[in-house]
Amino acid sequence: DIVMTQSPDSLAVSLGERATINCKSSQSVLYSSNNKNYLTWFQQKPGQPPKLLIYWASTRESGVPDRFSGSGSGTDFTLTISSLQAEDVAVYYCQQYYNIPLTFGGGTKVEIK
Amino acid sequence: QVQLVQSGAEVKKPGASVKVSCKASGYTFTAYYMHWVRQAPGQGLEWMGWINPNSGGSNYAQKFQGRVTMTRDTSISTAYMELSRLRSDDTAVYYCARVPLRRGYNPIDYWGQGTLVTVSS
Repeated sequence: DIVMTQSPDSLAVSLGERATINCKSSQSVLYSSNNKNYLTWFQQKPGQPPKLLIYWASTRESGVPDRFSGSGSGTDFTLTISSLQAEDVAVYYCQQYYNIPLTFGGGTKVEIK
Repeated sequence: QVQLVQSGAEVKKPGASVKVSCKASGYTFTAYYMHWVRQAPGQGLEWMGWINPNSGGSNYAQKFQGRVTMTRDTSISTAYMELSRLRSDDTAVYYCARVPLRRGYNPIDYWGQGTLVTVSS
């Protein structure tokens, strides 16, 4: 199974400041034949299901604000919130869909400082 | 609009079974896999398996092999997840989530609202 490791476990950022979340996979999730990274980022607010933010590591889902961006390739990935807003307080998860079983990172809790 | 509406909360005793439903609307039910993911209280996300609503074929995580059964009823666009021999550590919110039924693996793009299953004597 591919192990997904996120860091940090939590972070507190001032409103308007940048938040950066890291995700590392135990093996590459880059499929060489199509040069795509099989990685998504989800946002989960309390009492709600996860919501898709980013897929193919860097493609923003329709309707997701452009302050959210994903980057990285192979085994190392980053989710960046360029200017944190109050509504961004949530837990963020990375997940690989390179192979089965699908596996998730442990989550990163983002709070306001 | 896309909707995945799950059945209501359940309380079960250890050793019992639970069957959670997920009714799809707003899209072609047979054009998307249905995955099931659970989340224990205060914990992360754990993938359980998927069903292909078109063929009925399924694939389960090794951890749940022999205890989980995923089925579907295409006439009412509903997927089901049944978990048997429940234990207290099966207490969790169970989510259905859809994935486009295209060649290769694709991302989960929409989740149901979740169903809380509590296992307690």
